Amino acid sequence: QKEVEQDPGPLSVPEGAIVSLNCTYSNSAFQYFMWYRQYSRKGPELLMYTYSSGNKEDGRFTAQVDKSSKYISLFIRDSQPSDSATYLCAMSERGNDMRFGAGTRLTVKP
Amino acid sequence: DGGITQSPKYLFRKEGQNVTLSCEQNLNHDAMYWYRQDPGQGLRLIYYSQIVNDFQKGDIAEGYSVSREKKESFPLTVTSAQKNPTAFYLCASSSGGNSPLHFGNGTRLTVT
Repeated sequence: QKEVEQDPGPLSVPEGAIVSLNCTYSNSAFQYFMWYRQYSRKGPELLMYTYSSGNKEDGRFTAQVDKSSKYISLFIRDSQPSDSATYLCAMSERGNDMRFGAGTRLTVKP
Repeated sequence: DGGITQSPKYLFRKEGQNVTLSCEQNLNHDAMYWYRQDPGQGLRLIYYSQIVNDFQKGDIAEGYSVSREKKESFPLTVTSAQKNPTAFYLCASSSGGNSPLHFGNGTRLTVT
């Protein structure tokens, strides 16, 4: 079993839809959770950074962490074609031990 | 603008040759990292350095070597001992502790 599981998709939605991206993990010691967005042939860019359980909102993006279920989510409201990218979840216990999901490829169609 | 610069963007080498990938950052970050990205797999850590003149092996260090002579620079050498070197290589940095990583735009290495 992988330490971090993420459905690779691909996921295709119409413009304006609400997108839900998810990851599960097995290491209960993880306490820092991140979502990165990666455009084709580019490096990942940080979208959301949360500590422990709870929700965090930034514009159209909401990150949720449920440590009891070992489950994290990223919601994108009013999705735009410019949101088309691969989304990577990442998590760590101490910082230099970050583990990444394989990424979910999202396409938002106009 | 502060950031991480990786060069070159694309690199082609013949099997059996060593090759060095460049990574420079002007974010004044103490920690630097090298990851490898392959299709369908999460990023895998090759090496990391938390301070100048010190570095540690990550999960897949075999066939790779690094140096950290300056805070700003963390070059990665892919040696001929690396059995499957063709991949997308990402350099990252952080201010340490539990700070998130900031990534460069990667180098795609193709070995034939």
